[in-house]
Amino acid sequence: QKEVEQNSGPLSVPEGAIASLNCTYSDRGSQSFFWYRQYSGKSPELIMFIYSNGDKEDGRFTAQLNKASQYVSLLIRDSQPSDSATYLCAVRGHREYGNKLVFGAGTILRVKS
Amino acid sequence: DGGITQSPKYLFRKEGQNVTLSCEQNLNHDAMYWYRQDPGQGLRLIYYSQIVNDFQKGDIAEGYSVSREKKESFPLTVTSAQKNPTAFYLCASSIESGTYNEQFFGPGTRLTVL
Repeated sequence: QKEVEQNSGPLSVPEGAIASLNCTYSDRGSQSFFWYRQYSGKSPELIMFIYSNGDKEDGRFTAQLNKASQYVSLLIRDSQPSDSATYLCAVRGHREYGNKLVFGAGTILRVKS
Repeated sequence: DGGITQSPKYLFRKEGQNVTLSCEQNLNHDAMYWYRQDPGQGLRLIYYSQIVNDFQKGDIAEGYSVSREKKESFPLTVTSAQKNPTAFYLCASSIESGTYNEQFFGPGTRLTVL
């Protein structure tokens, strides 16, 4: 079982719709969760992080965390063609496990105008 | 401008050759990291350093070496022992390596074996 799993996609949504990106993780002791956006040929860019159960909103982005279900998601409201990219979920575990940031393989999002 | 720089942007290596990838940051971050990304895969940790003159192996350290002589610099050497080095190499840094610290990435170096 992979430590961090994401559906590879592509996830296609029309412009203006809500895009929902999901991520599950295996380490129940994981403490912090990050979403990165990566455009083709570019490096990842941090867009959201969340540490506590519940929702965290930043502009058009909402991160949702459910530690009991070991599930974290990213919602993008009013999706724009410029949101088309690969979204990487990253999870950091306990300090005893080296505090490593473990990345999923990413979900490709395509927003159609 | 504060940030992370990597050079070169593109690098070509011949068989049996060692090459060194540069990573510099002026963010005053203590922790620095090297990742490798292959097509369709997530980032895999090669080496990381939490403080000057100290570094630890990540998940795929074989065939790579690093040094951390200055806080600002964390160069990565890809040795001839790395049998499949063609990949996108990403350097990252964070304030320190604690649980709640975000990592920020440089622009990357794309290495190709000829």
